[in-house]
Amino acid sequence: DAGVIQSPRHEVTEMGQEVTLRCKPISGHDYLFWYRQTMMRGLELLIYFNNNVPIDDSGMPEDRFSAKMPNASFSTLKIQPSEPRDSAVYFCASNRGWREKLFFGSGTQLSVL
Amino acid sequence: AQRVTQPEKLLSVFKGAPVELKCNYSYSGSPELFWYVQYSRQRLQLLLRHISRESIKGFTADLNKGETSFHLKKPFAQEEDSAMYYCALDGGYQKVTFGIGTKLQVIP
Repeated sequence: DAGVIQSPRHEVTEMGQEVTLRCKPISGHDYLFWYRQTMMRGLELLIYFNNNVPIDDSGMPEDRFSAKMPNASFSTLKIQPSEPRDSAVYFCASNRGWREKLFFGSGTQLSVL
Repeated sequence: AQRVTQPEKLLSVFKGAPVELKCNYSYSGSPELFWYVQYSRQRLQLLLRHISRESIKGFTADLNKGETSFHLKKPFAQEEDSAMYYCALDGGYQKVTFGIGTKLQVIP
């Protein structure tokens, strides 16, 4: 298994543009998580899914952020419109169940100019 | 609310010196504690978890419920230990909270 796959690895965009980050979890993992990593706040949980259903999105910073999981092998995190303060590394992670270890993707480095 | 505090953003030690990365947590129930590590150009990965009570790469961590701490320790630091270390708490319902992270720098 290639592990959790994220794309793109790097994204540079201009303020106001729509950004879509993609994630493919490990096959058989029922939970998928989106995290944001910044120097000031470390790793923050944005949202997580169980069996493709969003369970907790309380970490999503604003309505500009949205996440979907149309099937067990794909999820997207969308920012529309993007702002410079959204610049961060966004990680996707998955696991098999409650209190199991998380498997992280390589992350997407987002820069909003 | 659950919270994880890592008081040091950067910890520099000499090779061969003992290492202690501090982690304190706030949680009213019975938490599951983890240490994750991110080496340069690698993915964030699990280092160890308190329930396993194991030593990984010479690192150990003991859960102290009285002090609400889960400090990561290693008796003799090695250069390859240089990395970013995150303490994490799973309070249940898959809500895993991470600390801000501590960058460990082992000086040759």
